[in-house]
Amino acid sequence: EVQLVESGGGLVKPGGSLRLSCVVSGFTLSNAWMTWVRQAPGKGLEWVGRIKSKTDGGTTDYAAPVEGRFTISRDDPKTTLYLQMNSLKTEDTAVYYCTAFSLGVWGQGTLVTVSS
Amino acid sequence: QTVVTQEPSLTVSPGETVTLTCASNTGAVTSGYSPNWFQQKPGQAPRTLIYGTSIKHSWTPGRFSGSLLGGKAALTLSGVQPEDEAEYYCLLHYGGAAVFGGGTQLTVL
Repeated sequence: EVQLVESGGGLVKPGGSLRLSCVVSGFTLSNAWMTWVRQAPGKGLEWVGRIKSKTDGGTTDYAAPVEGRFTISRDDPKTTLYLQMNSLKTEDTAVYYCTAFSLGVWGQGTLVTVSS
Repeated sequence: QTVVTQEPSLTVSPGETVTLTCASNTGAVTSGYSPNWFQQKPGQAPRTLIYGTSIKHSWTPGRFSGSLLGGKAALTLSGVQPEDEAEYYCLLHYGGAAVFGGGTQLTVL
């Protein structure tokens, strides 16, 4: 069974950092393009960024609001995707999902709250 | 700034057919944008229905179909069921990034 499980969310002060994890099972992480999506309370979905598969170069792309502050990485032996978030702002408050669009699977999400 | 536009809300009766659309401010949507469609119900994670314009996943009900229509991506529900009441989002790919539409709240009355 293909499954994604996020963790690492919580309350952090503006300017702080947080690292989210997404443990995958049921498929080979290195072969998949993985994406982070977020959803602010009561709002729509927002594409955050993605990392390509190793065979496609493993490069990353980010949405403008997070470029330079967020970093997506992957530890294939640990079957874990990461989202390192630095210089957090109140507007980064959201539920963060990891997803593999090609497989159509999503995690359950993890809530990040940025507040003083 | 790239903007993807969907109808904010639609209301339909059970058994009817409804089409949701997804437009880009950069011009006509083509298969190169690889449109995806997602369904989200309150309190749940999104669920992928359609990718690559019209390709369904194994769990996608047969009444859902994706297409290109009049320069937009489209999601058609043929014979709407009460359980189809949800928020629907489209996603378009623009080279190194992707953008979600604002979502369509589909009400089944």
